[in-house]
Amino acid sequence: GAVVSQHPSRVICKSGTSVKIECRSLDFQATTMFWYRQFPKQSLMLMATSNEGSKATYEQGVEKDKFLINHASLTLSTLTVTSAHPEDSSFYICSARDSGGRETQYFGPGTRLLVL
Amino acid sequence: QKEVEQNSGPLSVPEGAIASLNCTYSDRGSQSFFWYRQYSGKSPELIMFIYSNGDKEDGRFTAQLNKASQYVSLLIRDSQPSDSATYLCAVETGGTSYGKLTFGQGTILTVHP
Repeated sequence: GAVVSQHPSRVICKSGTSVKIECRSLDFQATTMFWYRQFPKQSLMLMATSNEGSKATYEQGVEKDKFLINHASLTLSTLTVTSAHPEDSSFYICSARDSGGRETQYFGPGTRLLVL
Repeated sequence: QKEVEQNSGPLSVPEGAIASLNCTYSDRGSQSFFWYRQYSGKSPELIMFIYSNGDKEDGRFTAQLNKASQYVSLLIRDSQPSDSATYLCAVETGGTSYGKLTFGQGTILTVHP
Protein backbone atom coordinates (compact mmCIF):
# COMPACT_ATOMS: atom_id res chain seq x y z
CA GLY A 1 0.00 0.00 0.00
CA ALA A 2 0.88 3.65 -0.22
CA VAL A 3 3.16 5.11 2.43
CA VAL A 4 2.63 8.33 4.31
CA SER A 5 5.21 9.62 6.76
CA GLN A 6 4.94 12.15 9.54
CA HIS A 7 7.63 14.03 11.38
CA PRO A 8 8.18 14.31 14.25
CA SER A 9 6.55 11.25 15.77
CA ARG A 10 6.54 12.79 19.21
CA VAL A 11 7.10 16.30 20.51
CA ILE A 12 7.10 17.87 23.93
CA CYS A 13 7.06 21.64 24.11
CA LYS A 14 6.45 24.48 26.51
CA SER A 15 3.21 26.39 26.52
CA GLY A 16 3.31 29.32 24.11
CA THR A 17 5.68 27.81 21.59
CA SER A 18 4.83 26.79 18.04
CA VAL A 19 5.18 23.29 16.69
CA LYS A 20 5.39 22.26 13.04
CA ILE A 21 4.34 18.79 11.90
CA GLU A 22 5.19 17.50 8.43
CA CYS A 23 3.17 15.01 6.42
CA ARG A 24 4.66 13.42 3.31
CA SER A 25 3.31 10.99 0.76
CA LEU A 26 6.35 8.91 -0.14
CA ASP A 27 5.36 6.96 -3.24
CA PHE A 28 2.38 8.77 -4.67
CA GLN A 29 1.10 12.24 -5.34
CA ALA A 30 -1.56 13.66 -3.10
CA THR A 31 -3.55 16.63 -4.31
CA THR A 32 -5.44 16.52 -1.06
CA MET A 33 -4.27 15.79 2.45
CA PHE A 34 -6.30 15.78 5.63
CA TRP A 35 -5.39 16.63 9.20
CA TYR A 36 -7.08 14.87 12.09
CA ARG A 37 -6.85 15.12 15.83
CA GLN A 38 -7.57 12.29 18.21
CA PHE A 39 -7.96 12.66 21.96
CA PRO A 40 -7.64 9.62 24.24
CA LYS A 41 -10.42 7.07 23.86
CA GLN A 42 -12.10 9.14 21.15
CA SER A 43 -12.38 8.74 17.43
CA LEU A 44 -10.63 10.81 14.81
CA MET A 45 -11.92 14.30 14.28
CA LEU A 46 -11.19 16.03 11.00
CA MET A 47 -9.57 19.40 11.52
CA ALA A 48 -8.96 20.60 7.98
CA THR A 49 -8.57 19.62 4.37
CA SER A 50 -5.31 20.65 2.77
CA ASN A 51 -5.26 21.24 -0.98
CA GLU A 52 -2.07 21.65 -2.93
CA GLY A 53 -1.62 25.20 -4.11
CA SER A 54 -4.66 26.64 -2.37
CA LYS A 55 -5.91 27.56 1.08
CA ALA A 56 -6.90 24.86 3.48
CA THR A 57 -10.54 24.28 4.36
CA TYR A 58 -11.14 24.14 8.09
CA GLU A 59 -13.88 22.29 9.90
CA GLN A 60 -16.28 24.17 12.10
CA GLY A 61 -14.76 25.07 15.43
CA VAL A 62 -11.14 24.76 14.28
CA GLU A 63 -9.22 28.03 14.49
CA LYS A 64 -7.42 28.61 11.23
CA ASP A 65 -5.09 31.18 12.78
CA LYS A 66 -4.01 28.72 15.41
CA PHE A 67 -3.59 25.69 13.17
CA LEU A 68 -1.72 26.88 10.10
CA ILE A 69 -1.68 24.52 7.17
CA ASN A 70 0.56 24.74 4.14
CA HIS A 71 0.40 22.32 1.22
CA ALA A 72 3.32 23.47 -0.86
CA SER A 73 3.75 20.44 -3.08
CA LEU A 74 1.98 17.28 -4.16
CA THR A 75 3.84 15.27 -1.53
CA LEU A 76 4.10 17.60 1.47
CA SER A 77 1.66 19.27 3.82
CA THR A 78 2.58 20.93 7.10
CA LEU A 79 0.51 21.73 10.17
CA THR A 80 1.81 24.38 12.56
CA VAL A 81 0.24 24.62 15.98
CA THR A 82 0.88 28.21 16.97
CA SER A 83 1.18 29.29 20.59
CA ALA A 84 0.43 25.80 21.79
CA HIS A 85 -1.33 25.30 25.11
CA PRO A 86 -1.83 22.17 27.24
CA GLU A 87 -5.31 21.66 25.79
CA ASP A 88 -3.71 21.25 22.36
CA SER A 89 -1.98 18.10 23.58
CA SER A 90 -3.30 15.36 21.36
CA PHE A 91 -2.49 12.80 18.68
CA TYR A 92 -2.32 14.55 15.32
CA ILE A 93 -2.69 12.34 12.28
CA CYS A 94 -2.51 13.25 8.62
CA SER A 95 -3.83 11.32 5.68
CA ALA A 96 -3.11 11.63 2.00
CA ARG A 97 -5.48 10.87 -0.79
CA ASP A 98 -3.96 8.99 -3.69
CA SER A 99 -4.97 11.09 -6.67
CA GLY A 100 -3.85 8.51 -9.18
CA GLY A 101 -5.68 5.52 -7.84
CA ARG A 102 -9.13 4.89 -6.46
CA GLU A 103 -8.55 7.87 -4.18
CA THR A 104 -8.27 5.93 -0.98
CA GLN A 105 -6.93 7.78 2.05
CA TYR A 106 -3.77 6.49 3.64
CA PHE A 107 -2.80 7.59 7.12
CA GLY A 108 0.53 8.69 8.46
CA PRO A 109 1.83 7.20 11.71
CA GLY A 110 0.74 10.23 13.73
CA THR A 111 2.45 12.83 15.90
CA ARG A 112 1.92 12.83 19.61
CA LEU A 113 2.06 16.38 20.97
CA LEU A 114 2.44 17.14 24.65
CA VAL A 115 2.33 20.75 25.71
CA LEU A 116 3.58 21.42 29.21
CA GLN B 1 -28.32 11.29 15.54
CA LYS B 2 -24.65 10.64 14.89
CA GLU B 3 -23.60 10.67 11.26
CA VAL B 4 -21.74 7.39 11.55
CA GLU B 5 -22.57 5.03 14.34
CA GLN B 6 -20.92 1.74 15.21
CA ASN B 7 -22.23 -1.04 17.38
CA SER B 8 -21.30 -0.48 20.95
CA GLY B 9 -18.45 -2.49 22.30
CA PRO B 10 -16.30 -3.74 23.51
CA LEU B 11 -16.71 -6.96 21.56
CA SER B 12 -15.01 -10.09 22.80
CA VAL B 13 -14.75 -13.30 20.78
CA PRO B 14 -12.74 -16.48 21.19
CA GLU B 15 -9.89 -17.26 18.87
CA GLY B 16 -11.12 -18.86 15.66
CA ALA B 17 -14.61 -17.38 15.88
CA ILE B 18 -16.24 -14.88 13.55
CA ALA B 19 -16.25 -11.27 14.72
CA SER B 20 -19.05 -9.10 13.36
CA LEU B 21 -18.72 -5.33 13.35
CA ASN B 22 -21.58 -3.09 12.29
CA CYS B 23 -21.93 0.48 11.17
CA THR B 24 -24.83 2.67 10.13
CA TYR B 25 -24.68 6.07 8.49
CA SER B 26 -27.17 8.87 8.10
CA ASP B 27 -26.22 10.54 4.81
CA ARG B 28 -27.83 8.78 1.84
CA GLY B 29 -25.40 10.61 -0.43
CA SER B 30 -22.48 8.66 0.99
CA GLN B 31 -20.56 6.90 -1.72
CA SER B 32 -17.54 5.16 -0.27
CA PHE B 33 -17.10 3.16 2.87
CA PHE B 34 -13.96 2.15 4.66
CA TRP B 35 -12.92 -0.02 7.55
CA TYR B 36 -9.78 0.89 9.43
CA ARG B 37 -8.03 -0.93 12.24
CA GLN B 38 -6.27 1.04 14.94
CA TYR B 39 -3.96 -0.47 17.49
CA SER B 40 -3.47 1.38 20.74
CA GLY B 41 -1.16 4.35 20.27
CA LYS B 42 -0.98 3.90 16.51
CA SER B 43 -2.67 5.55 13.56
CA PRO B 44 -5.45 3.84 11.59
CA GLU B 45 -4.58 1.19 9.05
CA LEU B 46 -6.84 0.57 6.07
CA ILE B 47 -8.38 -2.90 6.02
CA MET B 48 -10.97 -2.66 3.29
CA PHE B 49 -13.04 -0.29 1.24
CA ILE B 50 -16.35 -0.95 -0.48
CA TYR B 51 -18.33 1.15 -2.91
CA SER B 52 -21.05 -1.14 -4.27
CA ASN B 53 -23.90 -2.98 -2.62
CA GLY B 54 -23.13 -6.55 -1.68
CA ASP B 55 -20.16 -8.37 -0.27
CA LYS B 56 -16.47 -7.86 -0.81
CA GLU B 57 -14.02 -10.42 0.45
CA ASP B 58 -10.31 -10.05 1.14
CA GLY B 59 -8.70 -12.96 2.93
CA ARG B 60 -10.33 -13.37 6.33
CA PHE B 61 -12.21 -10.09 5.98
CA THR B 62 -15.59 -9.54 4.34
CA ALA B 63 -17.21 -6.15 4.03
CA GLN B 64 -20.94 -5.96 3.39
CA LEU B 65 -22.76 -2.88 2.14
CA ASN B 66 -26.48 -2.22 1.96
CA LYS B 67 -27.12 1.32 0.79
CA ALA B 68 -30.89 1.01 1.06
CA SER B 69 -30.55 0.24 4.76
CA GLN B 70 -27.56 2.58 5.13
CA TYR B 71 -25.61 -0.18 6.71
CA VAL B 72 -22.09 -1.49 6.33
CA SER B 73 -20.47 -4.32 8.22
CA LEU B 74 -17.17 -6.10 8.57
CA LEU B 75 -16.82 -9.79 9.27
CA ILE B 76 -13.55 -11.24 10.47
CA ARG B 77 -13.34 -15.00 10.07
CA ASP B 78 -10.98 -17.19 12.07
CA SER B 79 -10.29 -14.34 14.48
CA GLN B 80 -6.79 -14.17 15.88
CA PRO B 81 -5.49 -12.46 19.02
CA SER B 82 -3.57 -10.13 16.70
CA ASP B 83 -6.92 -8.86 15.43
CA SER B 84 -7.54 -7.30 18.83
CA ALA B 85 -7.78 -3.57 18.13
CA THR B 86 -10.25 -0.74 17.65
CA TYR B 87 -12.09 -0.93 14.36
CA LEU B 88 -13.20 2.32 12.78
CA CYS B 89 -15.91 2.65 10.19
CA ALA B 90 -15.47 5.66 7.91
CA VAL B 91 -17.87 7.06 5.38
CA GLU B 92 -17.05 9.38 2.52
CA THR B 93 -19.79 11.61 1.21
CA GLY B 94 -19.93 13.23 -2.16
CA GLY B 95 -20.76 16.73 -3.32
CA THR B 96 -18.97 19.58 -1.61
CA SER B 97 -17.67 17.20 1.03
CA TYR B 98 -15.96 15.07 -1.56
CA GLY B 99 -13.05 13.21 -0.09
CA LYS B 100 -13.85 13.93 3.54
CA LEU B 101 -14.19 10.96 5.84
CA THR B 102 -16.52 10.87 8.80
CA PHE B 103 -15.56 8.28 11.37
CA GLY B 104 -17.66 6.30 13.75
CA GLN B 105 -16.70 6.14 17.38
CA GLY B 106 -14.96 2.81 16.91
CA THR B 107 -15.58 -0.67 18.27
CA ILE B 108 -12.98 -2.28 20.48
CA LEU B 109 -12.48 -5.93 19.57
CA THR B 110 -10.73 -8.40 21.84
CA VAL B 111 -9.92 -11.89 20.60
CA HIS B 112 -9.04 -14.12 23.50
CA PRO B 113 -7.05 -17.35 23.13
